[in-house]
Amino acid sequence: DADVTQTPRNRITKTGKRIMLECSQTKGHDRMYWYRQDPGLGLRLIYYSFDVKDINKGEISDGYSVSRQAQAKFSLSLESAIPNQTALYFCATSGQVNTGELFFGEGSRLTVL
Amino acid sequence: QKEVEQNSGPLSVPEGAIASLNCTYSDRGSQSFFWYRQYSGKSPELIMSIYSNGDKEDGRFTAQLNKASQYVSLLIRDSQPSDSATYLCAVNRDDKIIFGKGTRLHILP
Repeated sequence: DADVTQTPRNRITKTGKRIMLECSQTKGHDRMYWYRQDPGLGLRLIYYSFDVKDINKGEISDGYSVSRQAQAKFSLSLESAIPNQTALYFCATSGQVNTGELFFGEGSRLTVL
Repeated sequence: QKEVEQNSGPLSVPEGAIASLNCTYSDRGSQSFFWYRQYSGKSPELIMSIYSNGDKEDGRFTAQLNKASQYVSLLIRDSQPSDSATYLCAVNRDDKIIFGKGTRLHILP
């Protein structure tokens, strides 16, 4: 089983719908991140959390919210999806402060029609 | 100015040659620098990290850091077709890992 699991892997939805992307990890890491990847734009940080009680906005948090339900679970929500939120979303975890090593899930591809 | 800048490519390099990938960053306070590799349809994976000025070698890969010029590079010697991927430069700022747009590398057989 993967150490960082994302569900769903693929989702097609309509404008205005609420969508939740879920991430769970078995690595025991405190730090969890949500990134968005668009062609030619690299990875952009949406939200991050350093522990269950800590939630921080990243570069592009508008239109998104998150919930850290437990150390192992970090969910990303789109309250009212819009077409420009069509992208590949990655969850990642990190265990050490300065190593920079992020462990990524396999990604969730979201299409908003 | 974006925090981490990379040429998007594609960069085409003959098999067996040296591939040189470059990155600049804007925050002089950045202390940790990373190169991730991402194959098409896959997740990024860390291949090199560097924290001090100079070169760091790991097999066919060499990372170079020049903090005065705010410049990071990755050299891949004896390039192989399996090196064809997108290479993402990243910096650690306040425990957030910020990525550049990535450079697509294509190794020509």
